[in-house]
Order: sequence, then C-alpha cells, then structure tokens
Amino acid sequence: DTEVTQTPKHLVMGMTNKKSLKCEQHMGHRAMYWYKQKAKKPPELMFVYSYEKLSINESVPSRFSPECPNSSLLNLHLHALQPEDSALYLCASSQWVVNQPQHFGDGTRLSIL
Amino acid sequence: KNEVEQSPQNLTAQEGEFITINCSYSVGISALHWLQQHPGGGIVSLFMLSSGKKKHGRLIATINIQEKHSSLHITASHPRDSAVYICAVSSKDNYGQNFVFGPGTRLSVLP
Repeated sequence: DTEVTQTPKHLVMGMTNKKSLKCEQHMGHRAMYWYKQKAKKPPELMFVYSYEKLSINESVPSRFSPECPNSSLLNLHLHALQPEDSALYLCASSQWVVNQPQHFGDGTRLSIL
Repeated sequence: KNEVEQSPQNLTAQEGEFITINCSYSVGISALHWLQQHPGGGIVSLFMLSSGKKKHGRLIATINIQEKHSSLHITASHPRDSAVYICAVSSKDNYGQNFVFGPGTRLSVLP
C-alpha cells in the first residue's frame, strides 16, 4: 500500500469532458508533484507545489489545471484533452522540495477517446 | 546527449544472479535517486545518495561524484525484482526542486 493515494485508478473520457484527478497524502509533506508518463518512457514533470503554492509549471498546456486546496490534497483538473494526453498520471510528495526522496502514488491511467 | 543515461536498457537474469545497473549524468547534482517501477505503474523510491554507498537488504547503491556515475547492485536476484529501475538526479539548477530522469532499465529475473 502506498502512502500517496490517487483516484481514480483508471479514467476514460471524451475530448469535450471535464474531469479531475485527485491525490492525497497524510505524511505532513509540504511539496507535491504531478508527472505524466507515456508507455516505456520515464515520467515527465508537469507541476510542483511547495507549501500549497505553485512552484514550477513545466510549460504544461492550459487544458491541465492544477489545484492545491490544502497541504494534504492535490488535484489536476482536465478539460478539452487531446488523444495524445492519454498516459499514466503520477502524483508524488516529499517533505519539502529541496533534495528529498519523493513518495509516489500508483497513478491514474487516463485514456482520451 | 541526455543529461542522465542508464545501461543496460534491458537486462534478463536468472534467479540468484548478481545484477548491476549503471547510471551516468552530465549535470551538476545535489542528489541522485534510484527508483523502482513495477508493471502496475507505482514507483518506489529505493535510495537517495549524495556520496558513498548505501545498502538496504539485497540492494546496494554507490555513487562516484567525481566520475558522475552511480551503480545499483542487486544480490541474489529474485523474480519479484523484475521491474523498471530508474535513475533520477536532483539537478543543482532550481535548487534541486525537480528530478531529471534517466530512461530506465527494464529487468526481468527468470526463475
């Protein structure tokens, strides 16, 4: 069992839908991350939150909108996605952003029809 | 040239064999991480290193900062070790905030 919980585990949506991915941790970590991973590739960083503030946005298209409502919760709101956005979306957390091991969730496997 | 490279790309071993996976990097780092990803998708952090050597059970990780090289060793390998092993570095740019990932090494351990 991982200490970072992601829901849902699988999501299929159409290009016009709006959905959200959720990530939760109760380890008291103050840094949280979203990654996108395509098949047989390493994860690519999308966003970093530090103390509930957006710290890094790696030039992610605006159809992905992150939100950190509190220190335990991280959301990724999805709207008007493209088929190429189909991937595994991983959330991670660490005690703080600098030089800490990251704890990963099991991911949400997203398919865009 | 990628900032983090790994070798081999794929590795098949028999149960019980000693396994070595190598990682080399070209950027200044504040730490190096070894991660394990099973086919289901979840990633587990195995080690974080900034110097020397660390051991956890059958796993040993070493780093040579001068040579910009790290190795992950698995002793007495077992089929449950089959996974993708990813080397990642906390780059000195951005105060180590984000990981730069290697391409991964896909390990299969046969019974």
